[in-house]
Formats: sequence, C-alpha cells, structure tokens
Amino acid sequence: SAVISQKPSRDICQRGTSLTIQCQVDSQVTMMFWYRQQPGQSLTLIATANQGSEATYESGFVIDKFPISRPNLTFSTLTVSNMSPEDSSIYLCSTGGGGTNTEAFFGQGTRLTVV
Amino acid sequence: DAKTTQPTSMDCAEGRAANLPCNHSTISGNEYVYWYRQIHSQGPQYIIHGLKNNETNEMASLIITEDRKSSTLILPHATLRDTAVYYCIVANPGNQFYFGTGTSLTVIP
Repeated sequence: SAVISQKPSRDICQRGTSLTIQCQVDSQVTMMFWYRQQPGQSLTLIATANQGSEATYESGFVIDKFPISRPNLTFSTLTVSNMSPEDSSIYLCSTGGGGTNTEAFFGQGTRLTVV
Repeated sequence: DAKTTQPTSMDCAEGRAANLPCNHSTISGNEYVYWYRQIHSQGPQYIIHGLKNNETNEMASLIITEDRKSSTLILPHATLRDTAVYYCIVANPGNQFYFGTGTSLTVIP
C-alpha cells in the first residue's frame, strides 16, 4: 500500500493570493492525480500529474489557474492561483493503481477557505 | 464523466447487512469496478474492487452481475462507523477516477 501525505491540511487565504499544496507518496508511483471537492459535492478530477511533462487537465480546468508540478515519481504540487471565494474546497491528491490488483490511494486532503 | 448510477441515500439498521447497488451499464471489458467510501470529508478509503468475479475481503463483499452492468457492495454487519458516502467507480487500473454522486449510507442504532 502507499501512504500519501498532503500539506497543508488546511489553510485560510486572502482572495487574490496563491496557495501551493504538496503531495508526498512514500513509494514511487506512475500515476498521480489531483481532485477538488466543493462543499457538499462529490470529487471532481482536476488533472493528471505527469512526471517529466505537462499535466493533463480536465475540461473546465486550466494550467494558469491550477499549475501542477511533478518533478519525480513520489512528489507533486498543485497551486491554486489568484484565489477567489469560489475556490474554497477540499483538494485531494491520489495515486493510480499500479496494476490490476492494486487500488488507488488518496491523501487526506487540503481544506482551503478563501476570504 | 462518471459512468455509474447510485441511489442518493440509504438507511440500514445496525448489525444488519447493508446492500448498496450500483449501475454501470456502459462498462467496457477492461474496466474494473471499484468501491470507496468517504467519512466526514476525509480522503476516500478503498473498500474493494473486482473485474467480473465476486470478491470478498475483511471489509465487504462485491457481487458483480454476469453481464457486468451492475454490482452490489455488501457490508455484512453494518456498524455506526460505517456511516459514510459510498462511491462506485468504473475505471481501468492505474487510471483516473470519475466520481459520481455516491450513496450516503446512514446506519441507524
């Protein structure tokens, strides 16, 4: 199994500022993903963090707003840029399964409040 | 987009079996059925997954119909700590998940 650590666990930020969320996995993984969970909603995929290349974004999410880094196989960051109150959500990272018998693991999330 | 349909909410008496259904009529041959749950907005917790055979582990059983168009997660003896939102997801192993709305299960004392 993989253990995922996310930092920070929560933060309160001023509108117009940016926050970078870190995701550290205790083993090398091929795939890493970032999700957003708005209050009372399900999880929405933001992007796939690709190691050594640009992230692949889902419809409705753009690199200028959510830049992602993936410098190696154990670490990724998501930045929420130029924040507004609508960005208040929980942001989660996950690994993909490593094969047919491996499940995906999720971090505990970063609870972001923009004021 | 999510390829699954689940009831919005369900109740279950403590100690009884909780049977959570999921429809995934457009599942493709390589896709697995995964079940996760989320308690109090923590990170989703893995429960079980399967391809076409029924599966059982220490947490639950997964029953997949022969045509693979639907499945049922069974929690054999529900406890209050099983109160959570349960997500059924179909995906290729290693790939991203597209979450549906899930089923909010309430276990009643």
